[in-house]
Amino acid sequence: GAGVSQSPSNKVTEKGKDVELRCDPISGHTALYWYRQSLGQGLEFLIYFQGNSAPDKSGLPSDRFSAERTGGSVSTLTIQRTQQEDSAVYLCASSSSGAYTEAFFGQGTRLTVV
Amino acid sequence: DAKTTQPPSMDCAEGRAANLPCNHSTISGNEYVYWYRQIHSQGPQYIIHGLKNNETNEMASLIITEDRKSSTLILPHATLRDTAVYYCIVRVRSGGSNYKLTFGKGTLLTVNP
Repeated sequence: GAGVSQSPSNKVTEKGKDVELRCDPISGHTALYWYRQSLGQGLEFLIYFQGNSAPDKSGLPSDRFSAERTGGSVSTLTIQRTQQEDSAVYLCASSSSGAYTEAFFGQGTRLTVV
Repeated sequence: DAKTTQPPSMDCAEGRAANLPCNHSTISGNEYVYWYRQIHSQGPQYIIHGLKNNETNEMASLIITEDRKSSTLILPHATLRDTAVYYCIVRVRSGGSNYKLTFGKGTLLTVNP
């Protein structure tokens, strides 16, 4: 596609429910990132995938959060038993391999837990 | 990643140059300086990056001091659409597989008419 695509753009869920957020990276990009941004705050790193390497999960805030990337392309971020503090914009980014390259961000999924 | 320090906010008059400073005094020799910006309700947008030489592209210029402990992003002719939060980030150049971008709080640049 032309850019990083995230779906849904908005999600309202009840506390305690599980949610899945999807990210379609730019075709051919081997690196994929997930961040979250709470209202008025900066970007908080969650997880990073690079090719076939083990993902860097150091930013996941609890074991309720998990992510996978199937076939080196689409990624799904899953939040189990959602809590109100999980409400935020979840942003996905992708980049081609190498440390010199820029990361392209999607428009994010706004998650509201009620 | 090395920590960066930026002023929380700055103002600039439309049409004038905006100079956004960033301190990264603990930067290592293999770490690049990246700048991104985030316009309200949008995902971050890449602006420019550099290692030790000054860099220029269609969006901005990046001036890195000789000791690499600080840098300045320059928007030569700021417009109202440049109002955004600007993030300065340092990122490992090579070695290992950890190239993650770690964002700080950034500088809110407000361009005034």
